[in-house]
Amino acid sequence: DIQMTQSPSTLSASVGDRVTITCRASQSISSWLAWYQQKPGKAPKLLIYKASSLESGVPSRFSGSGSGTEFTLTISSLQPDDFATYYCQQYNSYQWTFGQGTKVEIK
Amino acid sequence: EVQLVESGGGLVQPGRSLRLSCAASGFTFDDYAMHWVRQAPGKGLEWVSGISWNSGSIGYADSVKGRFTISRDNAKNSLYLQMNSLRAEDTALYYCAKDTAITISSLFDYWGQGTLVTVSS
Repeated sequence: DIQMTQSPSTLSASVGDRVTITCRASQSISSWLAWYQQKPGKAPKLLIYKASSLESGVPSRFSGSGSGTEFTLTISSLQPDDFATYYCQQYNSYQWTFGQGTKVEIK
Repeated sequence: EVQLVESGGGLVQPGRSLRLSCAASGFTFDDYAMHWVRQAPGKGLEWVSGISWNSGSIGYADSVKGRFTISRDNAKNSLYLQMNSLRAEDTALYYCAKDTAITISSLFDYWGQGTLVTVSS
């Protein structure tokens, strides 16, 4: 199985900060990577697919990049609504796996 | 508006069975693959099982293979998960999730709110 490793596990930031989360795959997944946002008590929400494509309705301050084994999610200017946990997920090969999550906290 | 509503969760003893259901609305159900994804309390997300539009392709996580069975009824716009031989480590919130494709692509664009399964004696 492909292992997905996110860093950091927790990130403290302020409103307006530029935030970057990294996701590494244990083997190449091409660009078959998605990012999800999950708020407490809520279901995950799809933000980015195919590494860099923005899901409809997601604010443009979110962006994704990378291919192969290393990927990043960037929030260009952190907003109050963005404090949440973010998960990467590979959908290149069965069995489909998620990273362990990155919690973005208020500094 | 896409809606996915899970039901069937609850407290069950180890070794017993439970059947989860997911009622879908707001989209053409038989145009998409569907999945179950779970989240143990305070933990991350784990894909459990997926099924293509016509049930022709089905997959399971190794952790549930041989114990869980996914199925769907396109006439009823419903997805199911039969869980047998339940273990304490199956305790989780179980989400129903819609795939973006008719076959299993495992990209999830809509999720339900989940149903909680607690396995304990």
